[in-house]
Amino acid sequence: DARVTQTPRHKVTEMGQEVTMRCQPILGHNTVFWYRQTMMQGLELLAYFRNRAPLDDSGMPKDRFSAEMPDATLATLKIQPSEPRDSAVYFCASGFPWGGTYEQYFGPGTRLTVT
Amino acid sequence: QQQVKQSPQSLIVQKGGISIINCAYENTAFDYFPWYQQFPGKGPALLIAIRPDVSEKKEGRFTISFNKSAKQFSLHIMDSQPGDSATYFCAATQGNNRKLIWGLGTSLAVNP
Repeated sequence: DARVTQTPRHKVTEMGQEVTMRCQPILGHNTVFWYRQTMMQGLELLAYFRNRAPLDDSGMPKDRFSAEMPDATLATLKIQPSEPRDSAVYFCASGFPWGGTYEQYFGPGTRLTVT
Repeated sequence: QQQVKQSPQSLIVQKGGISIINCAYENTAFDYFPWYQQFPGKGPALLIAIRPDVSEKKEGRFTISFNKSAKQFSLHIMDSQPGDSATYFCAATQGNNRKLIWGLGTSLAVNP
């Protein structure tokens, strides 16, 4: 049963601390997405990669957020320094184009609380 | 601006009733319209999707109706069940990048 895995599932940290979230996409999927979900803003696309190369990170605050794919089995999202407004659930999703469609498979999310 | 507008924001339906969620879009280049279902504490999961060359797609109790001229599509849940209580998102995409443009979601509660 192929799934996207994310770690940690929950993270509580103090303002100013560095936060790193990790994602293991489904084997064989060539595209990885990072989303942030809040009650106010809904699902926001932060960044996405295809074949490990960043395609679009326009949704990400560049001064504090960074996203990388050091290899095909690992994607990371880093926040440094973290702020209370970063509190949200962060989802990773992976996908593979099939027949012109583009289903995205979501991980369980990382719930981040910045105090 | 919101490229995909979803309504209503929340919906309460009695068990056995029909749930209807609507979405409207602006970009006529969109060519794939999925609906995702999200349960509390979980990530969204694809429920059903449609392409604009058909006007309707049905999978079990779930149906997408698509109106290309009106630039609208809707999700119908027939015989709604308490287990259908979740948040539903419509989305749209086009082009080579296949980036999904999301609606803001509809929280559905089905009363037993």
